[in-house]
Amino acid sequence: DAKTTQPPSMDCAEGRAANLPCNHSTISGNEYVYWYRQIHSQGPQYIIHGLKNNETNEMASLIITEDRKSSTLILPHATLRDTAVYYCIAPTYISSGSARQLTFGSGTQLTVLP
Amino acid sequence: NAGVTQTPKFQVLKTGQSMTLQCAQDMNHNSMYWYRQDPGMGLRLIYYSASEGTTDKGEVPNGYNVSRLNKREFSLRLESAAPSQTSVYFCASRRESPEAFFGQGTRLTVV
Repeated sequence: DAKTTQPPSMDCAEGRAANLPCNHSTISGNEYVYWYRQIHSQGPQYIIHGLKNNETNEMASLIITEDRKSSTLILPHATLRDTAVYYCIAPTYISSGSARQLTFGSGTQLTVLP
Repeated sequence: NAGVTQTPKFQVLKTGQSMTLQCAQDMNHNSMYWYRQDPGMGLRLIYYSASEGTTDKGEVPNGYNVSRLNKREFSLRLESAAPSQTSVYFCASRRESPEAFFGQGTRLTVV
């Protein structure tokens, strides 16, 4: 997997946009960027993924820089329930099959403040 | 659909005891994974299985064995539990899409 670097923690006011950065300077051309979050000891939850175009779904938006060395996950109107650890991952295919080895780092603890 | 189901949810073992953590998915996914998460840490991959009949080591495989019994089930076995294996264990599955589905975890304490 490409190495990803995230800040350990961030705060955001409720109702404001939360912008979570991720550096993945060693990412190769065929590696997607994935974002997951983990709410208080629950199993991680998939949020969004992208290759080189910006992506948006019902949960979040993903902005990937043109050189693909970094990306930003945007939660447009953060709520208290968005308080979680957010993981940025850039997995790669492995030789033994289609299973991508999803490697989670330490992530960013996002705290949404009332 | 139940998604990914892990059993048991909680377990306390004595050092040296053995046990098997069970994981089953009903989404017809090919790939399955076992992770452990220590307090305040990210998830670390123990083993994974690309398809029925295949398994591969992840980042921290020592002290564990796995079995991909069929497409639905992927079990994790601790042959001789040690206090260092106290952790929360998560099972996950996915098909070809980037979205992996996780179970709710098994909280294991080895005393």
